[in-house]
Amino acid sequence: DAGITQSPRYKITETGRQVTLMCHQTWSHSYMFWYRQDLGHGLRLIYYSAAADITDKGEVPDGYVVSRSKTENFPLTLESATRSQTSVYFCASDGGSSDTQYFGPGTRLTVL
Amino acid sequence: GESVGLHLPTLSVQEGDNSIINCAYSNSASDYFIWYKQESGKGPQFIIDIRSNMDKRQGQRVTVLLNKTVKHLSLQIAATQPGDSAVYFCAETGGGSNYKLTFGKGTLLTVNP
Repeated sequence: DAGITQSPRYKITETGRQVTLMCHQTWSHSYMFWYRQDLGHGLRLIYYSAAADITDKGEVPDGYVVSRSKTENFPLTLESATRSQTSVYFCASDGGSSDTQYFGPGTRLTVL
Repeated sequence: GESVGLHLPTLSVQEGDNSIINCAYSNSASDYFIWYKQESGKGPQFIIDIRSNMDKRQGQRVTVLLNKTVKHLSLQIAATQPGDSAVYFCAETGGGSNYKLTFGKGTLLTVNP
C-alpha cells in the first residue's frame, strides 16, 4: 500500500513554462491539500479539495491551478512558472474523521 | 493575525536525555493539535495529536501536553535517540474545523551521540 505519492520528485524548469505536479493517494481520503515549504515561511497552503470536483484556495494560490476529477488524484499546475515558485511542494490527504493530514514525500521544483 | 509559533528554533540534546519542544498558539478557538516530524528530504510525518478536551496524551516515547489557559503545547520525547533528529512542527485547526491546518515554523532537534 503506497499511501500517498508524488511525482516527479525533482523537477527543473524554466521561467514561463507550464509544470504539473502529480499527487496520488490510495486511501480514498476525501480531503487533499497542496503546500509549499520555503525557508523562513514553513508550510503554506496553496489549494485544497474537500472532494472530487470541489477545490478552494488556500493562503498562497496565485500562479497555481488545481483540479480533482478523481478522488485519488490532485494535480497542481503552474501555468507559467516564475523563479519565486522555486520551492518544495507537499501534497497531503485527510480522511475527514480526525483532521489528521498525511503527507507525501514532496517534489523539489527549481525554476531557472 | 492568528498564528502558531515555536519558542525555540533549535534544540540540541544528548542521546538518552529527554527532549521538550514547545509551541504557542494564538487562536483560542483551536480545537485540534498535531505534532509532525520532518526528516531531511522527506515529508512531514504524523507523530501524535491531541484534542482541546484533553490536556495530556501519550504515545510511544512521546507525550503531548496542552495548556489551554496559556495557549501552549509541548512535545516531550523520552530517551531521545539519534533517529529523533529532525524538524518538529506543531499544527492546529481553528474552531469550526475546515480541515485546514496552520503550521508553526518548526524546531530543529539535534541529538548528539
